[in-house]
Amino acid sequence: DTGVSQDPRHKITKRGQNVTFRCDPISEHNRLYWYRQTLGQGPEFLTYFQNEAQLEKSRLLSDRFSAERPKGSFSTLEIQRTEQGDSAMYLCASSLRDPPYEQYFGPGTRLTVT
Amino acid sequence: AQTVTQSQPEMSVQEAETVTLSCTYDTSESDYYLFWYKQPPSRQMILVIRQEAYKQQNATENRFSVNFQKAAKSFSLKISDSQLGDAAMYFCAYRSPTSGTYKYIFGTGTRLKVLA
Repeated sequence: DTGVSQDPRHKITKRGQNVTFRCDPISEHNRLYWYRQTLGQGPEFLTYFQNEAQLEKSRLLSDRFSAERPKGSFSTLEIQRTEQGDSAMYLCASSLRDPPYEQYFGPGTRLTVT
Repeated sequence: AQTVTQSQPEMSVQEAETVTLSCTYDTSESDYYLFWYKQPPSRQMILVIRQEAYKQQNATENRFSVNFQKAAKSFSLKISDSQLGDAAMYFCAYRSPTSGTYKYIFGTGTRLKVLA
């Protein structure tokens, strides 16, 4: 069990650029989640996958955001035309299908939009 | 919609002492899961303890225990014999059991400082 990994750990981009983040969940976990955490706040849910199917999306996930999980393994989160308000920590988590459903979190990708 | 409130932005505790972090939540559901997560500086969140709402017995994990008051919708975390390594942000999280709703709803966190 190598844990949830995320790449890159830090990303600085200019406003208007596109960025893509990757998450590798724990290998036997079929559920994968993306959260966004801004300074002084708790993580907020963005989207959820069960295997390769994206089953839930938050209203926070605007049209500029897209997430995929091809083949039910790793996942990518893309932000198009970044805005300064997108600056945040993007967290990925994974879990098994069965109770107690606890989620295991990755170290996050810190995005800074200048 | 469910909400989670952590009313203590910051707490301090002397090493070896006991501290209690508060969490309240609002839900109309009768069965759910509650979690406490620890987020050390620049490190990933790790699970501290979990509680199933249908269980009356409070969960305990070594020095960490909870006081789960279902009627009051309260879920506090007690850390006994505090250690320097306990310094971190602590988040309370709620998870609905409803099929298809697997996300956590987090509180805003409590920063715990441990004083030597």
